[in-house]
Amino acid sequence: KAGVTQTPRYLIKTRGQQVTLSCSPISGHRSVSWYQQTPGQGLQFLFEYFSETQRNKGNFPGRFSGRQFSNSRSEMNVSTLELGDSALYLCASSPGRESYEQYFGPGTRLTVT
Amino acid sequence: KNQVEQSPQSLIILEGKNCTLQCNYTVSPFSNLRWYKQDTGRGPVSLTIMTFSENTKSNGRYTATLDADTKQSSLHITASQLSDSASYICVVSAPSGSARQLTFGSGTQLTVLP
Repeated sequence: KAGVTQTPRYLIKTRGQQVTLSCSPISGHRSVSWYQQTPGQGLQFLFEYFSETQRNKGNFPGRFSGRQFSNSRSEMNVSTLELGDSALYLCASSPGRESYEQYFGPGTRLTVT
Repeated sequence: KNQVEQSPQSLIILEGKNCTLQCNYTVSPFSNLRWYKQDTGRGPVSLTIMTFSENTKSNGRYTATLDADTKQSSLHITASQLSDSASYICVVSAPSGSARQLTFGSGTQLTVLP
């Protein structure tokens, strides 16, 4: 079974631009979660989706948004990028509604200049 | 506020040596505790997962222990290898099962030298 895939793997944007990151979960997994990882803050929870519904959202500004499609693939969007948005964005998938068994993707490294 | 504290922040050991990483948490109520290994530039990979009723769990050269009374866990690595160089992250889950209820530690950066 293929693992969680994320595209693109690396991205460089300038302040004020917007970006869309994509995540394809493991086949059959219906739950997708997104995290931001920075050296200073560690992993911070962004969103959690199950069956196309946002189940939970972390403490991030409204510039961060996401969605999940009927095939469980998920995208997250960050508008009006700031320098502080530079981070590794990780996606994780779970078979069911609970996150007890999470499998992480390789991440997308976003650099904002 | 739920917190997970890991120590040490970084550790350097010689290949072949053993080491122990610590994780203290204040998450309550508590459902399970996981240890992840994260190589540089890659996503975390699960090493062990323990519920509150489990005291120890092994995965090859990795052995995790849990004391739910003192809210402490440790990850012991035996006969370290160069490939063990990575960040080790402790994650504690509340019973809801939601990813929002996961509390992540900031990790221990382990470097294994030849």
